[in-house]
Amino acid sequence: SQQGEEDPQALSIQEGENATMNCSYKTSINNLQWYRQNSGRGLVHLILIRSNEREKHSGRLRVTLDTSKKSSSLLITASRAADTASYFCATDPQGGSEKLVFGKGTKLTVNP
Amino acid sequence: EAQVTQNPRYLITVTGKKLTVTCSQNMNHEYMSWYRQDPGLGLRQIYYSMNVEVTDKGDVPEGYKVSRKEKRNFPLILESPSPNQTSLYFCASSPYTLGVPQHFGDGTRLSIL
Repeated sequence: SQQGEEDPQALSIQEGENATMNCSYKTSINNLQWYRQNSGRGLVHLILIRSNEREKHSGRLRVTLDTSKKSSSLLITASRAADTASYFCATDPQGGSEKLVFGKGTKLTVNP
Repeated sequence: EAQVTQNPRYLITVTGKKLTVTCSQNMNHEYMSWYRQDPGLGLRQIYYSMNVEVTDKGDVPEGYKVSRKEKRNFPLILESPSPNQTSLYFCASSPYTLGVPQHFGDGTRLSIL
């Protein structure tokens, strides 16, 4: 079953603007990861945030996690055309299932 | 170079003709898994393996088989493919279970006619 749900499904912005994508999930998690997928290619790991962390940064990426609301957000600052891709959140649910559960993704288009 | 290699990258075949998609990783990872990606449904896990000879079902295992005889290889077998298995397939690996980033292959696009 799909646990993570990204919002919005699609986002179109201009180069230089910030892009925010949200992920909601249903059950308690050990950690949450964000991945990026260029069209037709494999997923590339961006950032992992553990359930006891609230915020994490990596370059132009900022991820927040609110376990009380069961939600996470990915912020890309000063976006570039090369950031055009689909972005997925993936949750590692508590309970020892050993299954990473992906959302359906947000398709980001950054216009030059 | 550390990588996950899938073969073939593209395959068009017919219903009922057995096929195998190979996946190999050169990072000595213990955990490997297979996903399928369909429009509007995101990635769904088919099978995963926590180590050699240890495999388990994911969310959509019907119609698929896997084996893990060696640490580096995790082939996906479609014994009797059907059109509803037309999809984009990804293999992934990580050093151990799920608390770490997954490394993905470039994908295999299967079309079953």
